[in-house]
Amino acid sequence: AQRVTQPEKLLSVFKGAPVELKCNYSYSGSPELFWYVQYSRQRLQLLLRHISRESIKGFTADLNKGETSFHLKKPFAQEEDSAMYYCAPNTGFQKLVFGTGTRLLVSP
Amino acid sequence: DVKVTQSSRYLVKRTGEKVFLECVQDMDHENMFWYRQDPGLGLRLIYFSYDVKMKEKGDIPEGYSVSREKKERFSLILESASTNQTSMYLCASSLFRTSADTQYFGPGTRLTVL
Repeated sequence: AQRVTQPEKLLSVFKGAPVELKCNYSYSGSPELFWYVQYSRQRLQLLLRHISRESIKGFTADLNKGETSFHLKKPFAQEEDSAMYYCAPNTGFQKLVFGTGTRLLVSP
Repeated sequence: DVKVTQSSRYLVKRTGEKVFLECVQDMDHENMFWYRQDPGLGLRLIYFSYDVKMKEKGDIPEGYSVSREKKERFSLILESASTNQTSMYLCASSLFRTSADTQYFGPGTRLTVL
């Protein structure tokens, strides 16, 4: 069965600490991979996508096809990074499958 | 700037009522989607549409139907609301059918069924 796993429901770090939000997927083929973020009282929005190989707000995500993982990383977390983060492979024809989400809490 | 709007932020309905949730996008996007968002379950796709009058079932279509009579508008219909349909409903749209296209989300409608 197709599956997306975000093992941590809550990740709590201090400001300036490195952060890694884990995402593992199990799909046949090579899905496009995305991270979406929802800040408090804001709508869900795209953070970054694998195909663009970009760094957004200091976040990067590396695709490891061998481990089928797409972990989101940032070397120095900021308080404004506190939000809900969703990993979402696109399984074809714009059909995103969202993980259960990880709430990141960055404390001062 | 892409704008996706949803008709209500909060809605309270009674069991058995017919409920309409409306979504409008103003960027001439081809694709529109309805998700529900529940704590611990993430977002789950209910229905989506690639074109006017076209619809495809998502992962949890039971108890829901949709309508897309105009390109900019996508309606989610709960024929007979039940308490297990209490949830946050998110609408989204995207321009292309390519897999790498961004989906733009509305602010959500929090539906409570009593």
